[in-house]
Amino acid sequence: AQSVSQHNHHVILSEAASLELGCNYSYGGTVNLFWYVQYPGQHLQLLLKYFSGDPLVKGIKGFEAEFIKSKFSFNLRKPSVQWSDTAEYFCAVTPYSSASKIIFGSGTRLSIRP
Amino acid sequence: NAGVTQTPKFRILKIGQSMTLQCAQDMNHNYMYWYRQDPGMGLKLIYYSVGAGITDKGEVPNGYNVSRSTTEDFPLRLELAAPSQTSVYFCASSYSGQNTEAFFGQGTRLTVV
Repeated sequence: AQSVSQHNHHVILSEAASLELGCNYSYGGTVNLFWYVQYPGQHLQLLLKYFSGDPLVKGIKGFEAEFIKSKFSFNLRKPSVQWSDTAEYFCAVTPYSSASKIIFGSGTRLSIRP
Repeated sequence: NAGVTQTPKFRILKIGQSMTLQCAQDMNHNYMYWYRQDPGMGLKLIYYSVGAGITDKGEVPNGYNVSRSTTEDFPLRLELAAPSQTSVYFCASSYSGQNTEAFFGQGTRLTVV
């Protein structure tokens, strides 16, 4: 079955630390890839997306992600986190063959110490 | 531009009661989705629709029903509420299934007691 794995359930960092959240998916064909962010008490918002082209994509608020096809990975990075980045982060995949389904990972809760 | 609108925001149901969660979008999106979010479990797809009159089951459809009579609306029905249906429910929509992003509503927090 198609699945998305996020390796870190809860990450705690200090402000200005660098961030990398892992995401791996299990599907061999063409995919669309997403990172969504959910701030406390709010709905999911798109952070960044990859459809095709340059595997390094930049999103809002200084986030970026790199698609490595050979590793089935789409890790999220940010060089220097801020307290306002405290949120839950979800990786998501849409396989081209079943494009009506967006498959989400279990999420990573990020807590930033001021 | 309202985007995806869900009502109600909060609801408490007694076991065995029924209710309908409303979802409407004003972006003329063809695809609509219902997810439930449980702590540490991410989002699980309940039902989805690729257009008016077309719906299909997702990963966790048991205990729910949907309909899609118009492009704009995609209500989710709980017929006999059970404590296992306590969750946060999100509706989402997208223009198509490929090379598009999904937009989410604000969510409905449902508690079944």
